[in-house]
Amino acid sequence: QVQLVESGGGLVKPGGSLRLSCAASGFTVSDYYMTWIRQAPGKGLEWVSYISPSGKTVLYADSVKGRFTISRDNVKNSLHLQMSSLRVEDTAVFYCARGDDSDAFEIWGLGTMVTVSS
Amino acid sequence: QSALTQPASVSGSPGQSITISCTGTSSDVGALHFVSWYQQHPGKAPKLMIFEVSHRPSGVSNRFSGSKSGNTASLTISGLQAEDEADYYCSSYTTSSTLLFGGGTKLTVL
Repeated sequence: QVQLVESGGGLVKPGGSLRLSCAASGFTVSDYYMTWIRQAPGKGLEWVSYISPSGKTVLYADSVKGRFTISRDNVKNSLHLQMSSLRVEDTAVFYCARGDDSDAFEIWGLGTMVTVSS
Repeated sequence: QSALTQPASVSGSPGQSITISCTGTSSDVGALHFVSWYQQHPGKAPKLMIFEVSHRPSGVSNRFSGSKSGNTASLTISGLQAEDEADYYCSSYTTSSTLLFGGGTKLTVL
């Protein structure tokens, strides 16, 4: 069964760090484009970052560039998002998702909530 | 880059057709054929309904269709059903190889 399960969310103070994980089952993450997309409470979707199957292409939204790092663990078949210098406005549900290309994502996880607050 | 522009809400009665617009620029919607549409029910993860402007993933009803003209893409839902009530988001690949989402449209089935 093709599935994505996010973990690692929680409450963190402004300026702090957090590492999100996304465990994949039923497929190999290195065969697909993998992305992180977030949704602030009551707000719309915002693309955060994606990594290509080869791993050579990694892109970030301007709002997180220099603070977030996407990575992949091919042995554990998982995707990660290292977040640092967190801001209150980073508070959101973070989803990981899979796509055949970098423009559309068909398989989504249930999301993990990140709350940045003092 | 600013988010794509969608109407905040649309509504329709069962059996009717509705269209949701998604307006971007010549650097995203107008430049490329990579517009997608997602449906999101409350508390659930988004579901891909349309990709590459007008293609439906396997399992998505043919009541959902997409199109594009210039800088504006559209999602049409025909034969509206109660289960279609949800938030809908468009997204577009950009000339910078990034992704932009629209602000979302709340569809109410009257």
